[in-house]
Amino acid sequence: GAGVSQSPSNKVTEKGKDVELRCDPISGHTALYWYRQSLGQGLEFLIYFQGNSAPDKSGLPSDRFSAERTGGSVSTLTIQRTQQEDSAVYLCASSFPAGGTDTQYFGPGTRLTVL
Amino acid sequence: AQSVAQPEDQVNVAEGNPLTVKCTYSVSGNPYLFWYVQYPNRGLQFLLKYITGDNLVKGSYGFEAEFNKSQTSFHLKKPSALVSDSALYFCAVREKNRDDKIIFGKGTRLHILP
Repeated sequence: GAGVSQSPSNKVTEKGKDVELRCDPISGHTALYWYRQSLGQGLEFLIYFQGNSAPDKSGLPSDRFSAERTGGSVSTLTIQRTQQEDSAVYLCASSFPAGGTDTQYFGPGTRLTVL
Repeated sequence: AQSVAQPEDQVNVAEGNPLTVKCTYSVSGNPYLFWYVQYPNRGLQFLLKYITGDNLVKGSYGFEAEFNKSQTSFHLKKPSALVSDSALYFCAVREKNRDDKIIFGKGTRLHILP
């Protein structure tokens, strides 16, 4: 039983480049979240996938950010034309929302540095 | 709309003293409430949750939290703090029987002073 995995663990990129961050949730978990955390601060919600429902994209900070979840499993968060303010740790979490009582399991995160 | 508030950015407690980290919430219906902890350079971990039943919930590492419906609070407590409890603590809420996303508070940094 592997936990939530994320890749890469670290990503350094130049301003203006596109990046893709990957999340492999726990098998069978239908809910998947992306968060952003800057410098050990609070969690900023980005996007929420739940089963086959339309994702809740209300937290995406700009149209440079997008995410998809293929086959209800792996998710990719894409940031286009990266800016220095995008530098943060990007966290993915998955859960099996049994009537809302779900416990979230977090991945180790991807540390993104935009130079 | 659901919301959760952690009114303290930072809490300092002397080792051996009791600690409390505050959390209040707002939901339309009945809540599911959670506490998560993030130790330095480590990922977020589940600590405890309230679903139903006994208002006092016991979790990992000797922590407990008390659900108070009238005050819409879910404060995290521990009778005797350890230096190793120093971490970032997040409260979260979700409305019962809905598939809406879970909502996290902004976090409280707990410093246990030796």
